Amino acid sequence: KNQVEQSPQSLIILEGKNCTLQCNYTVSPFSNLRWYKQDTGRGPVSLTIMTFSENTKSNGRYTATLDADTKQSSLHITASQLSDSASYICVVSAINRGSTLGRLYFGRGTQLTVWP
Amino acid sequence: EAQVTQNPRYLITVTGKKLTVTCSQNMNHEYMSWYRQDPGLGLRQIYYSMNVEVTDKGDVPEGYKVSRKEKRNFPLILESPSPNQTSLYFCASSPRQGSSNYGYTFGSGTRLTVV
Repeated sequence: KNQVEQSPQSLIILEGKNCTLQCNYTVSPFSNLRWYKQDTGRGPVSLTIMTFSENTKSNGRYTATLDADTKQSSLHITASQLSDSASYICVVSAINRGSTLGRLYFGRGTQLTVWP
Repeated sequence: EAQVTQNPRYLITVTGKKLTVTCSQNMNHEYMSWYRQDPGLGLRQIYYSMNVEVTDKGDVPEGYKVSRKEKRNFPLILESPSPNQTSLYFCASSPRQGSSNYGYTFGSGTRLTVV
C-alpha cells in the first residue's frame, strides 16, 4: 500500500534554532517527492522538489534530503524564524502508470511552532 | 499574476442543497485536482484531471462530482451535501502530473460548513 508517514507530528523550537523533519514513504514506483509549507487556513506552498537521482536540494534556509534506497526524506530548517511556524507536508508522486496515474500521496504534516 | 482562484472562500449550506465550488487557473496547466483537508487527516485527494475531458477518482470521491470542459476550469460539485463533507477544500494545478520540474500551485481554499 502506498503511504507517506511524517514525524514528528508536532514540534516546538525556539527562534534561531535548527530542526529536522522526517518523511518515510512506501510509494512505488517512485517519481518525485515534494515538501510544502502550509500556513494555517491557506493553501500549501512548494518548498522543494526532488527526483530519484537527487540527494539534496536547498531553498534558502530549507534543505531537503532524499535517500531513495531507504525511502526516507528530511527537511532541515536552519536558523528558524517566527514565520516558519506552519505545517510542513511531504508529498510523493508515483510514476504515471496503471492505478497510480495522476495520484499524489500526502503525509499528514508536521506542525512546527517557533517561539520567540 | 499566475494563480489558482477558488470561489467562494467561505460557504455555509444546508444538508441536501446542491452546491458548486469553482476553481480556475490562468497558467494553461494540464493537471488539476481537488483536495479536502480535515484535522488530523491531512490533505486527501478527491478527484483529479489530467486534461480536458479526462477526470479520475482520488482517495475520497464519494459524494462529489467534477467536470473539465475547459482547460482553465475544474468545478467541484456536491449534489447532496452532508455534514461529513464539512471541511477545508483546496484546488491545485500543475503543468503536467508527474513532471519533476514543477510543483503544484494551490488555491487559497474554500471552507465549507454543511449544517
